[in-house]
Amino acid sequence: EAQVTQNPRYLITVTGKKLTVTCSQNMNHEYMSWYRQDPGLGLRQIYYSMNVEVTDKGDVPEGYKVSRKEKRNFPLILESPSPNQTSLYFCASSPSATTNEKLFFGSGTQLSVL
Amino acid sequence: EDQVTQSPEALRLQEGESSSLNCSYTVSGLRGLFWYRQDPGKGPEFLFTLYSAGEEKEKERLKATLTKKESFLHITAPKPEDSATYLCAVQSPYNFNKFYFGSGTKLNVKP
Repeated sequence: EAQVTQNPRYLITVTGKKLTVTCSQNMNHEYMSWYRQDPGLGLRQIYYSMNVEVTDKGDVPEGYKVSRKEKRNFPLILESPSPNQTSLYFCASSPSATTNEKLFFGSGTQLSVL
Repeated sequence: EDQVTQSPEALRLQEGESSSLNCSYTVSGLRGLFWYRQDPGKGPEFLFTLYSAGEEKEKERLKATLTKKESFLHITAPKPEDSATYLCAVQSPYNFNKFYFGSGTKLNVKP
């Protein structure tokens, strides 16, 4: 089944403890992206990647890191999480970085930073 | 500055009662406008892409339309299974790898 898989689904952590949220897609998509969703603010783009080893900042990149060493994987790294990073996170992918006609989303990761 | 504004925030309809959701945007030179459906506990699911004013697309009870400054998602004779949050997004005309989402309209259709 074609899908974008995120793990974990739920994560509770404490301030300053490094964490990684994984994202994997099995559709051979070029483009991948991370979003956070907060009530009243909608989805905001954190980082995106047009292909392996090509990443760029979205609108809210502070406090986050990403890497794209393989085409299928795009992990989101929080090196020193803070409570304001408590949010619902979504990974998305698209077949082509040059057209981006539609995004395929994962099921989300609910992160709580205490 | 807000790029995409959706209204209303929430909408409650009786089954069969048609209505429209609005998405207004401020970007100039629109490259693409997208509608997604999001069910509780799930990621957004693609519905439509519109590219130019006057364009319309339909899928079952849903029809999306586009003008120069806004898009409407018309829901005809909705059913309870149409209950979801509907998200609108625009693609940046300067960087097609960037998308700006509205905060959504939460639709509740009662039987």
